[in-house]
Amino acid sequence: GEEVAQTPKHLVRGEGQKAKLYCAPIKGHSYVFWYQQVLKNEFKFLISFQNENVFDETGMPKERFSAKCLPNSPCSLEIQATKLEDSAVYFCASSPYGTGGNQPQHFGDGTRLSIL
Amino acid sequence: SQQGEEDPQALSIQEGENATMNCSYKTSINNLQWYRQNSGRGLVHLILIRSNEREKHSGRLRVTLDTSKKSSSLLITASRAADTASYFCATAGMDSNYQLIWGAGTKLIIKP
Repeated sequence: GEEVAQTPKHLVRGEGQKAKLYCAPIKGHSYVFWYQQVLKNEFKFLISFQNENVFDETGMPKERFSAKCLPNSPCSLEIQATKLEDSAVYFCASSPYGTGGNQPQHFGDGTRLSIL
Repeated sequence: SQQGEEDPQALSIQEGENATMNCSYKTSINNLQWYRQNSGRGLVHLILIRSNEREKHSGRLRVTLDTSKKSSSLLITASRAADTASYFCATAGMDSNYQLIWGAGTKLIIKP
């Protein structure tokens, strides 16, 4: 598609439950990025993929967060044993090339995750 | 981690006036990008300026980059109510594996 599609728009989970978010990048884009935005403030980088391969995972809290980008499937971000502090809006972005190659990133509308 | 500061944190002006937002960063960069975020939505890319460029225009937007001061500014001329949004700068570093490092944003309100 021509837009980055994120689902669901809103996700509510009880503390300790699992949360799974999905992202379909723009067709033909090789790079996928996940960001976390808390309280409408700065965006925290989580992880990036080059096609189905993890490119940079330096921002991931590895104990409970995992992500995948499998061929012919939406990318996913999964949080195990959610905590209250995981409440945030999670954004996915895609790019035809790495941003270091002077390409902008195209963002989805985000998934608002609320942990109760 | 946050790359630097954006100022002001909030800006309220009358429709038709110009709005200027500033962004500072800390490390060497490949490029700097400005994005807009409308309430409840994702980011929309506005302008990308490369490290070897000093100024770039797009419609009513003008971006400047001063690598010696590690700073950039975004000027919106003849503002409109529809420009009300948060504006973020983000930098792609020389060795950042293409991830963008973000400022905290400027919330711009255009009063009709």
